Amino acid sequence: DGGITQSPKYLFRKEGQNVTLSCEQNLNHDAMYWYRQDPGQGLRLIYYSQIVNDFQKGDIAEGYSVSREKKESFPLTVTSAQKNPTAFYLCASSIAGGSSGNTIYFGEGSWLTVV
Amino acid sequence: KNQVEQSPQSLIILEGKNCTLQCNYTVSPFSNLRWYKQDTGRGPVSLTIMTFSENTKSNGRYTATLDADTKQSSLHITASQLSDSASYICVVSKGGSYIPTFGRGTSLIVHP
Repeated sequence: DGGITQSPKYLFRKEGQNVTLSCEQNLNHDAMYWYRQDPGQGLRLIYYSQIVNDFQKGDIAEGYSVSREKKESFPLTVTSAQKNPTAFYLCASSIAGGSSGNTIYFGEGSWLTVV
Repeated sequence: KNQVEQSPQSLIILEGKNCTLQCNYTVSPFSNLRWYKQDTGRGPVSLTIMTFSENTKSNGRYTATLDADTKQSSLHITASQLSDSASYICVVSKGGSYIPTFGRGTSLIVHP
């Protein structure tokens, strides 16, 4: 089945550690995104990528890093510099090309908890 | 500033009843508006997409309306079911950009 796969679903991190969330898509989409969702809050954009080897910061990029070495993969690293990383993280993708009429498809999300 | 405001923030209804969720936006220039359904702990799933020229679009028991003049949209749910309990998110895209603006969502709880 085509879709977006995020892993792990649940992750616990000790303070001071970096963790990486995986996101893989087989939809042949050019654009990929990472969003953060806190309880009662809307989705906030962390990073997005239009094409391979290129990505841009979103609204809350501080403390996060990404890479886009392959079209299918867009991993997110939550670094120790992120002071409040406990949240629900959503990876998404869409057909790019400059059109704003493309639906964004989401993965099932990853829960990150700092212990 | 491009914004999307949703109301109410939360809503509790009895199974079988109808309800309407509201979305007001200031995003300009407008390209399209989507409603997503997000079950707890899951990723959002698209319900409808509406462009400037569309006033109404249905998807089963979900009907979305759009008034581009007043920059308002609504999502009407008919004969609610327990499985409708979820957060409903309004998402507005700006012309020339594929970074949409998300509303905070309306949390709907359907009680038996």
